[in-house]
Amino acid sequence: SAVISQKPSRDICQRGTSLTIQCQVDSQVTMMFWYRQQPGQSLTLIATANQGSEATYESGFVIDKFPISRPNLTFSTLTVSNMSPEDSSIYLCSVEDGAGGETQYFGPGTRLLVL
Amino acid sequence: AQTVTQSQPEMSVQEAETVTLSCTYDTSENNYYLFWYKQPPSRQMILVIRQEAYKQQNATENRFSVNFQKAAKSFSLKISDSQLGDTAMYFCAFMNPGANNLFFGTGTRLTVIP
Repeated sequence: SAVISQKPSRDICQRGTSLTIQCQVDSQVTMMFWYRQQPGQSLTLIATANQGSEATYESGFVIDKFPISRPNLTFSTLTVSNMSPEDSSIYLCSVEDGAGGETQYFGPGTRLLVL
Repeated sequence: AQTVTQSQPEMSVQEAETVTLSCTYDTSENNYYLFWYKQPPSRQMILVIRQEAYKQQNATENRFSVNFQKAAKSFSLKISDSQLGDTAMYFCAFMNPGANNLFFGTGTRLTVIP
């Protein structure tokens, strides 16, 4: 499976600011995904990022709040904009395996605390 | 919409014993994928095991196996010879083929007791 890294691993931010999270994969992948895990909760898909096209957002998530970039087949960023304490979560990126097996592998996550 | 239910918020098991985690799901699809992921305190989501709905044979991965009951829409995870490193949150997840969204259950916190 692909090796996925995320930066930063954690951060503490002030409300009203923005944070950009990076996701790097060690192989080329078509689809990358961004999930949010709120404290004590399960994972919820924010958006799907394909290289060369606009990200596709799930219901309840908008581009102005969570802009995503996908400049190439190994890298993506998620920005959490104009943060509030409710944005305190773990943000995880994932990629789908290249064998067509519909299996997603996850990065280590970014733990965000907004004060 | 698909829903995934894990009815056991917390479980514990003695080291070397066997434990079964429950998962049920709701879907009108005939073909789909089911997964168990493990999230230890490091918060890394780790794939434990995967099952394709069109396969009747239950998936196994070393000490981990599933009991897939398609008619009952049940997908339980059995961990044999439990080890301390198995202590983690376990999430059951569902995916439709061709879709991107993994639908996760609420998780079961498993503690392996020495």
